[in-house]
Amino acid sequence: QVQLVESGGGLVKPGGSLRLSCAASGFTFSDYYMSWIRQAPGKGLEWVSYISDSGRTIYYADSVKGRFTISRDSAKNSLCLQMDSLRAEDTAVYYCATIRTYGSGSPHHFEDWGQGTLVTVSS
Amino acid sequence: QSALTQPASVSGSPGQSITISCTGTSSDVGGYNYVSWYQHHPGKAPKLMIYDVSNRPSGVSNRFSGSKSGNTASLTISGLQAEDEADFYCSSYTSSSTLVFGGGTKLTVL
Repeated sequence: QVQLVESGGGLVKPGGSLRLSCAASGFTFSDYYMSWIRQAPGKGLEWVSYISDSGRTIYYADSVKGRFTISRDSAKNSLCLQMDSLRAEDTAVYYCATIRTYGSGSPHHFEDWGQGTLVTVSS
Repeated sequence: QSALTQPASVSGSPGQSITISCTGTSSDVGGYNYVSWYQHHPGKAPKLMIYDVSNRPSGVSNRFSGSKSGNTASLTISGLQAEDEADFYCSSYTSSSTLVFGGGTKLTVL
């Protein structure tokens, strides 16, 4: 079955950097769009970024544009999120998820989710 | 990229039906049939309950149903059960090719 396991979370100072990874298994990784979603403490879900199956199409939420970079390595079945210039408001549990497009080229919905990894930005 | 609007909380007794609304604009909910709903128990991974407005993934109870009218989508849960108590989020594709969530609704089963 589908397994998504996030790692790389931790405590980082404001202005610092962190790289999250998501190890995927149980499905053909190269066939799926992938996404990062986060949930700040006591808040709702917030979409962060997604990347197409080929890696050529990438979108970001305005709140992270220019600071975060999503990437994928199909040889390693891995999704990454490079987070730079971190702010206190980036503190959240970060989830990776598969996206279904049904061949339309547009994301329809998130399908499978990982358990998340906690990122805390604090001095 | 404004969040979709959901009620903060809804409640119902076991066996009753409840409906959660999700209001957006013509640039998201109203413009595409790519509205989905997720159930989230704290500390667990969110679970897809409804996709493309009204489709249920295999394994999801037929007590869960979805619909849309104009810029507002709705999730209805019939025959409420104690295990339905959770946070529920809607999501939609947008005209900017991005994705957006609702603010979330806490469902309490009385």
